[in-house]
Amino acid sequence: AQTVTQSQPEMSVQEAETVTLSCTYDTSENNYYLFWYKQPPSRQMILVIRQEAYKQQNATENRFSVNFQKAAKSFSLKISDSQLGDTAMYFCAFMVTGANSKLTFGKGITLSVRP
Amino acid sequence: NAGVTQTPKFQVLKTGQSMTLQCAQDMNHEYMSWYRQDPGMGLRLIHYSVGAGITDQGEVPNGYNVSRSTTEDFPLRLLSAAPSQTSVYFCASSPRWSSGELFFGEGSRLTVL
Repeated sequence: AQTVTQSQPEMSVQEAETVTLSCTYDTSENNYYLFWYKQPPSRQMILVIRQEAYKQQNATENRFSVNFQKAAKSFSLKISDSQLGDTAMYFCAFMVTGANSKLTFGKGITLSVRP
Repeated sequence: NAGVTQTPKFQVLKTGQSMTLQCAQDMNHEYMSWYRQDPGMGLRLIHYSVGAGITDQGEVPNGYNVSRSTTEDFPLRLLSAAPSQTSVYFCASSPRWSSGELFFGEGSRLTVL
């Protein structure tokens, strides 16, 4: 079975600074996807970034980038130039590719951006 | 541009009552799913569907029932509500069930007394 661990329940960052959210996972599979989802206080969750395990290059979406360390089974999210709108709960998620694959979510981390 | 629509947004039930949470999507997505979110537990998959007429159980299916008669709709039924089912429920859909890229509704907060 796959597990996703987000060990930090809360983090805080000053506006305009950089913050890194940690995530580790455990799997015996070789082909999978990793995701970060954002849930703002209004509660609708959106996809922030996605990484395919077979790709060595780290995914980037504007101010959001990941540090994917496959051997260490680590998948951290870096938010640069933090903005007040980044205040949200962030979930790391994992999915094996192929038939009957399902998303497994971590417990989430609450990020607060201070003005 | 509706996306995934859930109703109701809030509901209070008494133990033993039944109810249906509605979910509709207008994006012609094949994959639909229901999650519950509890503090410190993340999101847990209740049931999912990879197409009309096909449903399957997720991680925590007990006490819930689903059906998928159309591509657009995926209602979640609570058969006999229990306080342990107090939670926030999210419906999500995806254009390809294997992609992992989910589009979420705004959630339904359910309280069972």
